[in-house]
Amino acid sequence: GDSVTQMEGPVTLSEEAFLTINCTYTATGYPSLFWYVQYPGEGLQLLLKATKADDKGSNKGFEATYRKETTSFHLEKGSVQVSDSAVYFCALNTDYKLSFGAGTTVTVRA
Amino acid sequence: SQTIHQWPATLVQPVGSPLSLECTVEGTSNPNLYWYRQAAGRGLQLLFYSVGIGQISSEVPQNLSASRPQDRQFILSSKKLLLSDSGFYLCAWRFSRGRGIEAFFGQGTRLTVV
Repeated sequence: GDSVTQMEGPVTLSEEAFLTINCTYTATGYPSLFWYVQYPGEGLQLLLKATKADDKGSNKGFEATYRKETTSFHLEKGSVQVSDSAVYFCALNTDYKLSFGAGTTVTVRA
Repeated sequence: SQTIHQWPATLVQPVGSPLSLECTVEGTSNPNLYWYRQAAGRGLQLLFYSVGIGQISSEVPQNLSASRPQDRQFILSSKKLLLSDSGFYLCAWRFSRGRGIEAFFGQGTRLTVV
């Protein structure tokens, strides 16, 4: 079935460091891909998305490119801030289902 | 405007007690609705989804059930809670935007079974 495999955490970084979280997927057809972010004590918020191959989603300094050839959607940010500390989820949509990865906890230290 | 409401925000229930979590959406009709559970230190597990009134699909066998009595209402229930039912429950609404699909989440219910 459709699934998402996400880099395991936790990830601890210093402010202004480069962040990358790997995400690969398995799906039949052509899924839409997403990154969601969950700040402490809150629900999930959409961070960015891509609907077809080679699309690049971007928001708040984060970027991810839909790579069909490698079935990947890696999340990157060039310079993280303390406020980026959160749990990040990679997700895909096919038919009626939204499938999520296990989540990666990111902690950014000042 | 389109919004999703989920309540209660927190809940502490004894083992063996019943459960009812409610999720409602506004500003849309015939939404696709989902219940997820996030156990401590783990990812999101899809529990149920519904594409219309009275239509429920279960993803995993659980001590839980779901119902969709109205178009914009999705309820998660249990007759007798287990300790393992503790977790963070999220309701989500999936909709089309432009060429793609998005999901909008409620604020979640943190359930502690004691």
